[in-house]
Amino acid sequence: EIVLTQSPGTLSLSPGERATLSCRASQSVSSSSLAWYQQKPGQAPRLLIYGASSRATGFPDRFSGGGSGTDFTLTISRLEPEDSAVYYCQQYDSAPITFGQGTRLEIK
Amino acid sequence: QVQLQESGPGLVKPSQTLSLTCTVSGGSIRSGEYYWSWIRQPPGKGLEWIGYMFYTGSIHYNPSLKSRVSISVDTSKNQFSLKLDSVTAADTAVYYCARVYNYAYRYFDSWGQGTLVTVSS
Repeated sequence: EIVLTQSPGTLSLSPGERATLSCRASQSVSSSSLAWYQQKPGQAPRLLIYGASSRATGFPDRFSGGGSGTDFTLTISRLEPEDSAVYYCQQYDSAPITFGQGTRLEIK
Repeated sequence: QVQLQESGPGLVKPSQTLSLTCTVSGGSIRSGEYYWSWIRQPPGKGLEWIGYMFYTGSIHYNPSLKSRVSISVDTSKNQFSLKLDSVTAADTAVYYCARVYNYAYRYFDSWGQGTLVTVSS
């Protein structure tokens, strides 16, 4: 099973700043089979990034994903108050599908 | 735009079976290469994949739950279902149904709103 470790656990930043979230895999994730989700309180997760760097419908280009192998990042530039959420990474390279434990992003 | 909606009891007694149904609207459960999945999230915690299925009956489970879980489909009703046996308090969670893009790209592109199931006597 591929274990995904996200860091930091919590990130507190101000509007306009840049957030960098990390997702590290216990073994290489091939073909960039990594996704990111945004989850706001009381809501279901929402697909944000797939294929490590492809942005899902409805998200602005302030959101970008990158990385390969065992190290992946989600970058959110020019933070806005509505970006406050928990962000999860997920690998779909090998069974079982696994998620990271999440990074909570707080906008001051 | 496909929509998914979970339904089922919100309270289950320990040792009993948790049963949930996901109704798919806005598209056929038989269309495309979509798989259909269950995911859960204990209160205040992260996400755990339970399993997914294709409408033909091909099913894959998380090994951690495989001995207790079954997923089935009713194409006539455009629904798929989850059963989890011998539940304990550790199975208390929000249960989500979700659509998987396809078998090669197994990310979840549409989600239901989730339903909280509490295991308690």
